[in-house]
Amino acid sequence: TQLLEQSPQFLSIQEGENLTVYCNSSSVFSSLQWYRQEPGEGPVLLVTVVTGGEVKKLKRLTFQFGDARKDSSLHITAAQPGDTGLYLCAGDAVGGSEKLVFGKGTKLTVNP
Amino acid sequence: NAGVTQTPKFRVLKTGQSMTLLCAQDMNHEYMYWYRQDPGMGLRLIHYSVGEGTTAKGEVPDGYNVSRLKKQNFLLGLESAAPSQTSVYFCASSLGSGVDTQYFGPGTRLTVL
Repeated sequence: TQLLEQSPQFLSIQEGENLTVYCNSSSVFSSLQWYRQEPGEGPVLLVTVVTGGEVKKLKRLTFQFGDARKDSSLHITAAQPGDTGLYLCAGDAVGGSEKLVFGKGTKLTVNP
Repeated sequence: NAGVTQTPKFRVLKTGQSMTLLCAQDMNHEYMYWYRQDPGMGLRLIHYSVGEGTTAKGEVPDGYNVSRLKKQNFLLGLESAAPSQTSVYFCASSLGSGVDTQYFGPGTRLTVL
């Protein structure tokens, strides 16, 4: 069974700080997705990374897929209260799969 | 274009009662999924469907049944609800599998007393 471990589980920071959250596995994935979920809503896709070593930027958010495609990180620069939410990573198994494997998430709170 | 909708938004059941959750999507997606989300447990896949008339078990299928009679609808049934099924249930759909984006509904909060 493929597992994705996310760390930290909880993170509370002040507005303007930088942060990094991690998504790690012992398994190789074809691709990794990052979703953000706000309270009372369903998750929404932020980005998909598919190539080992790939870096994608979305405004103040930087996503990286590990060279071996076993891990990924999300870095937020100058966090804002609007970044508050649950960040979930999800992986697609090598060889193709009908379903994604989700990590348990990192709950981020950015205080004004 | 409503995306993925879920009915109802909230429900309270007594142990042993039954109910059906409805998920509808208007994006002509082939794949549909039912997840449950519990504190500290992330999203766990209950059942999924790769097309009209198909269903398959996910990670935590016990106590649930599903049907996909129409492409746009995916129903999740609880035949005899138990307190352990208290959770928030999310439906999602995607055009294909794997790398394709999953679009989630707003969730149904179910409490079983």
